[in-house]
Amino acid sequence: DSGVTQTPKHLITATGQRVTLRCSPRSGDLSVYWYQQSLDQGLQFLIQYYNGEERAKGNILERFSAQQFPDLHSELNLSSLELGDSALYFCASSVEAGGAYNEQFFGPGTRLTVL
Amino acid sequence: ILNVEQSPQSLHVQEGDSTNFTCSFPSSNFYALHWYRWETAKSPEALFVMTLNGDEKKKGRISATLNTKEGYSYLYIKGSQPEDSATYLCAFNSGGGADGLTFGKGTHLIIQP
Repeated sequence: DSGVTQTPKHLITATGQRVTLRCSPRSGDLSVYWYQQSLDQGLQFLIQYYNGEERAKGNILERFSAQQFPDLHSELNLSSLELGDSALYFCASSVEAGGAYNEQFFGPGTRLTVL
Repeated sequence: ILNVEQSPQSLHVQEGDSTNFTCSFPSSNFYALHWYRWETAKSPEALFVMTLNGDEKKKGRISATLNTKEGYSYLYIKGSQPEDSATYLCAFNSGGGADGLTFGKGTHLIIQP
């Protein structure tokens, strides 16, 4: 158990809908990262927050947004969902902003299925 | 676009044998290289974070080396055990203020008893 929690575990929704994925980092970790794992793709970095501020953006679509709250939990919002958004979404956390130098701790993931 | 390549894609190894696999990454703008183990139905778990050319890290029967000049890292597993069966991911960071990792697609290792 990494100490990172994600809810829900599974989510099934329809095209065009909007969903929110939630992540609570390990106690004491200030950085939160979101990754997407699609079929046949490696883990794709979406976005990083550090202590409430956006720090880095990866391959995140404009239909997706995220935020980190004062209690450091983070939410990833996915809107106008398409079939291709079906994937496993991971949240990871690290102790500092320098996640490149620090190992990242991954949550159990949210499996999103868009029908 | 950063490209991280891992080979082989999958590997079957007899229990007790040693094995190794490769991660290739861009040799320019290197900042850090991570190795993760991802077991089925679990989440990726960090093995090593490597930052310096020539770094060698070891955890039990698993070790890794890093060559930043030529852009590769090797992961070695000595005396493979069934519990080593997993997908091994490497991930690269080029710094520049962005801490997200670029992952390879992994090497899927199956240890046969």
